Amino acid sequence: QKEVEQNSGPLSVPEGAIASLNCTYSDRGSQSFFWYRQYSGKSPELIMFIYSNGDKEDGRFTAQLNKASQYVSLLIRDSQPSDSATYLCAVNQENNFNKFYFGSGTKLNVKP
Amino acid sequence: NAGVMQNPRHLVRRRGQEARLRCSPMKGHSHVYWYRQLPEEGLKFMVYLQKENIIDESGMPKERFSAEFPKEGPSILRIQQVVRGDSAAYFCASSPGVNSNQPQHFGDGTRLSIL
Repeated sequence: QKEVEQNSGPLSVPEGAIASLNCTYSDRGSQSFFWYRQYSGKSPELIMFIYSNGDKEDGRFTAQLNKASQYVSLLIRDSQPSDSATYLCAVNQENNFNKFYFGSGTKLNVKP
Repeated sequence: NAGVMQNPRHLVRRRGQEARLRCSPMKGHSHVYWYRQLPEEGLKFMVYLQKENIIDESGMPKERFSAEFPKEGPSILRIQQVVRGDSAAYFCASSPGVNSNQPQHFGDGTRLSIL
């Protein structure tokens, strides 16, 4: 079983819609959760991180964490074509905080 | 530029040669991580280093690969006797390290091509 799982997509949404990206993880003791955006041929760029159960909002982005269900999601409101990229979920574990486990990423296409 | 600096951006080697990839962390960061990414795949952890110490090398192949982060200078990922399967993008990330929950910030990567 992979430590972090994401649907590879592609996820297609129309411009202006809400894009919902999901991630599940296997280590119940995981403490910190990160979302990165990666454009094709570029490096991962940090979007948000979340440590506590519930929602965390930053502009058009909302991260949601449910530790009981071992589930973290990223919502992108008012999606723009420039949001089209691969979104990577990363988790670090209770006993190895500085080691991140990455999902394989979900490719998002926002259609004009 | 205070970000994570990697060089070279692109590196071409023939089979059997050595590849050296360099990474200078962000100012104030003392922890460095190396990842490998194949096309259309996620990031695979290779090694985690602090100054003069390898903390976790569980993701790095035992043969041909080595990493260091000396007291002075950048971190180096070294691949000896490269093979075609080593072709990938290699990313370096850094973090301050004192607070274990802080995010990692990535460099632009080195694209390694093996002829």
